[in-house]
Order: sequence, then structure tokens, then C-alpha cells
Amino acid sequence: DAGVIQSPRHEVTEMGQEVTLRCKPISGHDYLFWYRQTMMRGLELLIYFNNNVPIDDSGMPEDRFSAKMPNASFSTLKIQPSEPRDSAVYFCASSWGQTIDGYTFGSGTRLTVV
Amino acid sequence: GDSVTQMEGPVTLSEEAFLTINCTYTATGYPSLFWYVQYPGEGLQLLLKATKADDKGSNKGFEATYRKETTSFHLEKGSVQVSDSAVYFCALTDSGGYQKVTFGTGTKLQVIP
Repeated sequence: DAGVIQSPRHEVTEMGQEVTLRCKPISGHDYLFWYRQTMMRGLELLIYFNNNVPIDDSGMPEDRFSAKMPNASFSTLKIQPSEPRDSAVYFCASSWGQTIDGYTFGSGTRLTVV
Repeated sequence: GDSVTQMEGPVTLSEEAFLTINCTYTATGYPSLFWYVQYPGEGLQLLLKATKADDKGSNKGFEATYRKETTSFHLEKGSVQVSDSAVYFCALTDSGGYQKVTFGTGTKLQVIP
């Protein structure tokens, strides 16, 4: 298995532009998580899905952020409009079941908003 | 709320030196504790875990003991190698099913030959 695949690896965009981050989870995993990592706040859970259904989005910072999982093999995290304070590394992780020791993380997307 | 505090990095050690990365936590109840490792250009990987007080997690020569009295879960290795250079994350989650995972900010370890 190729693991959790995230794209792009790096994204540089101008303030106000729409940004879409993509994630392909491991086949057969029923949970998918989106995290954001910054120096100031560390790793924060933004949202997670179970069987393609959003379960908890209380970590999504504001309405500019949205996430979808149209099928078991694909999820997107969208920021519209983007702001410089959104600059961070965004990780996707998937697991079979809920426990943290079952997580497999992707390599992350480094987003820079200028 | 729950929180995890890790020592700030980077930590720079010579090969074969002893490693300690401090981690303390604040949580209600009885959390499970974890160390994750992130190698350059890769995602986080589970390194070890402990689910109750006095448990010792171990893997690849790394160890950490769940100390409830000091609310700590310090990571140790007796002899580090250059290949251990990575960022290490301490994390916790409540026992009894899924809760939001709380991660520390990570500690970067650099091992020089």
C-alpha cells in the first residue's frame, strides 16, 4: 500500500485565493482526519470523517474552511478566501477504527499564503 | 482542557549520547500517552505508547514510562544514532474510546556523527 497520499506537497498562493488540499486515505480505512500544524499551536485536529460522513468539525477555525469526503478514497480541505495566518502544514491521517495508534499520516501539505 | 508540554528544541547530540525528551501533560481522567516520530519529508509514525500508570512503552531502543504522580511521559534512548534525527511528538487521548487527540508542539532532534 502506498500509504496516505496528500497533494500538493507545497502550495504558495496569494491572499484571497482559493486553496484546495487533497487526500487519498489507505484503502479500507474508515476514519479520516485533517490536522493543521503550526509552531505556535502545534498539531490541531480540524475535522474528522467516519465512513465518509463528517463527525466532528469543531476544530475548523472559521467558515472560510470546508472539508468534504465524496467517497471512501478521496477527501478535500478547501480554504476560501485564504489569509496569511492560514500558512501551516496540513496533515491528513486515516485509520481503521478510532484509536490513535491506528493512525497513518500523510506527508503533509506545506501551505504558504503571501 | 487537556494539554501536552514538550521541551523546546532543537536538541543536538553526538552519536551514542543518551537522549531524554521531556513531556508533561494536563488531563482529566486517565489518558493514554503516545510518542510519535516524524522523519524529514514524511508523516508522523507511532513510536510507542502506554495506556495506564507505570506502563512502559518501548520500541527501536526508545522507552517512556507513564508517571501519573508527576504527569510525565519522558522519552529516553540510551545511545542515539544519526538515523534518529527527526521530530518527536508527545500526545495523549482519553481512555475509553476516541476523544480528540492532543499533541505537543514537537521536539526536533539532531544527531551529529
